[in-house]
This record gives sequence, structure tokens and C-alpha cells, in this order.
Amino acid sequence: QTVVTQEPSFSVSPGGTVTLTCGLSSGSVSISYYPSWYQQTPGQAPRTLIYSTNTRSSGVPDRFSGSILGNKAALTITGAQADDESDYYCVLYMGSGLWVFGGGTKLTVL
Amino acid sequence: QVQLQESGPGLVKPSQTLSLTCTVSGGSINSGNYYWSWIRQPAGKGLEWIGHKYTSGSTNYNPSLKSRVTISVDTSKNHLSLKLSSVTAADTAVYYCATASYGDYAFDYWGQGTLVTVSS
Repeated sequence: QTVVTQEPSFSVSPGGTVTLTCGLSSGSVSISYYPSWYQQTPGQAPRTLIYSTNTRSSGVPDRFSGSILGNKAALTITGAQADDESDYYCVLYMGSGLWVFGGGTKLTVL
Repeated sequence: QVQLQESGPGLVKPSQTLSLTCTVSGGSINSGNYYWSWIRQPAGKGLEWIGHKYTSGSTNYNPSLKSRVTISVDTSKNHLSLKLSSVTAADTAVYYCATASYGDYAFDYWGQGTLVTVSS
């Protein structure tokens, strides 16, 4: 059973930079997994931030960026703002029409 | 712009079958190369991919749910449906329909979600 790993929680100061990661319990994440990232606030549906590793979805500020760092996918927020305080999820496409979500990272901005 | 809206009973008894519908507007469920998907989220927990129906007609399901899940499409109504059998309290969650495009494999459109509680 494939497990996609994310930090359970992270904290960043306003104006600071934070990098959230998305890994695999076994193996490395590459662009072949088409990692995508979603932001979710309480009571709301997820909002797509990044797809295909590093492409920003329409309307997403350029302070959000995606990449591969080492053996993980990464979401970097540069110049964090108060309203970036949310849950962030990555999802990996495993091929053959199968997806696996990470457990999510709760980001606190303080 | 595609819009998705989930609907269905908010309360299902244990051992029964959960049935939800996703109404698609702003586009045809029968065109393009899309994975019409269901995703769920128990309260306070993370997202779980349930499965999809691809435009071509093929389906794929989360292996952990495969024995209980059926996803289908009604092209005449532009609806996506989910059936989950033999439900237990562990199936209590907000259920989302979402769509992913072939080639970028990201869920770019989401419904608002509908809460389904499994309880007697």
C-alpha cells in the first residue's frame, strides 16, 4: 500500500518562507507522478494551487511555487500572509488511473 | 467553466448503500478527456480518492474501497453517480466530486461537497 507523506504541521512567520514536502513511503517522487497541491480552509472545498509539479493554477499568486526537492515534491510559499493559514494537500498520480493523497499539512502563520 | 454540485441523502443507516449524484454544468460529461472523480474527507481528517469514471468509459477505484464502490455516469442527465455499499460509521465523511484532466492529472474542478453521516 503506497503512502504519501506530508509534514502534519508547520509554522511560518508573516512575510517568511516555508517549504512543505510530499514524499513516498517507498521510493522517490518525480515529475512522472504529476504532483499537485491544494489549499483547503475549514468548511471549504480544496482549491488547486499547483499541478504538474510546478504549474500554478489560474489566479494563484506567484508567491506559491512547486518543485522537486531531492526525492520529494515541494510547495514553497514565499512571503507568507495571514490568509495562507490553511491545510495543504498534495496528491500523486500513481499511473493506471490511480491517485493517492498525502495526509495534509496544517500551516500556521504566526 | 465546469461546475459540480453533489446531492443525496445526508443520513444513511449502517450496512445500507450510500448513493450520491454529482450534477455537471458548464460542460458535457461525455466530452473531452476527463476523469470524473469522487473524493471524500472524514471530519478533521485528510482527503481520500475514491475512484473515477473516465470519459471513455473506463473506471478505477481505490483498492481499499474497490469491493464496495460503483461509479457511473448518466450522459442524458449529465450526472456522475457514486454508490458505496455496506457502509459503516467509518464512511461518514464529506463527499466531493471533482474532475481531473488527462495529461496533467490534477483535480481542477471541485464541487462544494456533501456531508454523509452513517448512523442508525
